Amino acid sequence: DGGITQSPKYLFRKEGQNVTLSCEQNLNHDAMYWYRQDPGQGLRLIYYSQIVNDFQKGDIAEGYSVSREKKESFPLTVTSAQKNPTAFYLCASTRGASGRTDTQYFGPGTRLTVL
Amino acid sequence: SQQGEEDPQALSIQEGENATMNCSYKTSINNLQWYRQNSGRGLVHLILIRSNEREKHSGRLRVTLDTSKKSSSLLITASRAADTASYFCATFEFSQGGKLIFGQGTELSVKP
Repeated sequence: DGGITQSPKYLFRKEGQNVTLSCEQNLNHDAMYWYRQDPGQGLRLIYYSQIVNDFQKGDIAEGYSVSREKKESFPLTVTSAQKNPTAFYLCASTRGASGRTDTQYFGPGTRLTVL
Repeated sequence: SQQGEEDPQALSIQEGENATMNCSYKTSINNLQWYRQNSGRGLVHLILIRSNEREKHSGRLRVTLDTSKKSSSLLITASRAADTASYFCATFEFSQGGKLIFGQGTELSVKP
């Protein structure tokens, strides 16, 4: 899992609640990414950030928000607007900002369940 | 948007056999990467092959890339029970900025 930590490992959310998933990296990587993985599926990109104080929407950004105030941190908030948030969430980072030829280093993931 | 599609979706073999997984994609790529995911864990990078390369080796792994057919294959030789995992291909498309596009994965089960 490299130098990326995600917390918590398991998270339970009640209907209507916002929850924040933590992602921290000590690799001094420029770019960071959030993915969602549903059972038996591949990864879908939620948001990504190539530099501090900047981020872009991925393919499924609705109902999610992020911030990138520090290079090493990229928290993801799952808002009440996300109607089906139960999934496995993965954070990743790449050394370069473009990510073009870089491999992605992944955290261990957070499993979010809506009660 | 899904770019890579893996085939087969699931593969079950005996220890010692070779495992071959295929990945097809739709548009021009800069590179193609293979990742492994153990159940309930994050992904681990295995190998990257660039669009101007045809074959690459890493230990028991062999990856081929055929850009004319827009396809890649991952071969694991002399498989072990510890190779049991899901394997994903991911492509870096020129049109997608800083994004990797992941396929849905092949679930490999190696029986001892």
